[in-house]
Amino acid sequence: AQSVTQLDSHVSVSEGTPVLLRCNYSSSYSPSLFWYVQHPNKGLQLLLKYTSAATLVKGINGFEAEFKKSETSFHLTKPSAHMSDAAEYFCVVSDPTGTYKYIFGTGTRLKVLA
Amino acid sequence: GAVVSQHPSRVICKSGTSVKIECRSLDFQATTMFWYRQFPKKSLMLMATSNEGSKATYEQGVEKDKFLINHASLTLSTLTVTSAHPEDSSFYICSARDGGRRNEQFFGPGTRLTVL
Repeated sequence: AQSVTQLDSHVSVSEGTPVLLRCNYSSSYSPSLFWYVQHPNKGLQLLLKYTSAATLVKGINGFEAEFKKSETSFHLTKPSAHMSDAAEYFCVVSDPTGTYKYIFGTGTRLKVLA
Repeated sequence: GAVVSQHPSRVICKSGTSVKIECRSLDFQATTMFWYRQFPKKSLMLMATSNEGSKATYEQGVEKDKFLINHASLTLSTLTVTSAHPEDSSFYICSARDGGRRNEQFFGPGTRLTVL
């Protein structure tokens, strides 16, 4: 069975400082992993995805994530936080066995302090 | 490309009435569509998976007679909340999978349902 754990429900950073949002996954297969962002009362926007190509994945808005198989992690980072980054972030693992279901993490709310 | 729309974006209805939410893939054919429910400040919960022309597969604990899903074409799926009650109030999000892009789902903007 597949699962994903987001280790922090809330993260606060100051504007201009680095962002680290942690995600660990469990999968019996070679996983596809995604990070999505959701602003208040909005839909989901794809930040980046890992699908067994390069382990360091670059996404939109300066975000990137590194797939580490040995640590079963897919942490999301950004060198310098911007006020507009304040939102809810979801780590997702996809079931590759035919259903293609997404398993969502519980989410991390990022707060950016001025 | 890969745009998914939902209609309506927001709906308010009286208790006991039924509400239909449409999900459309605008520029691709969606072999599979998914319906999610999101409670305030919570993650997305998968309700059901629908494949074009076949019955939807519901997740455990989701009432199929309460949440009717129809996937009549490769670009349209509908979710009907029957005999809605205040506890059905939620944010409903659909997604669509393009068979050619395997593992990725494309999400609609969501529908906010409020049942009075």
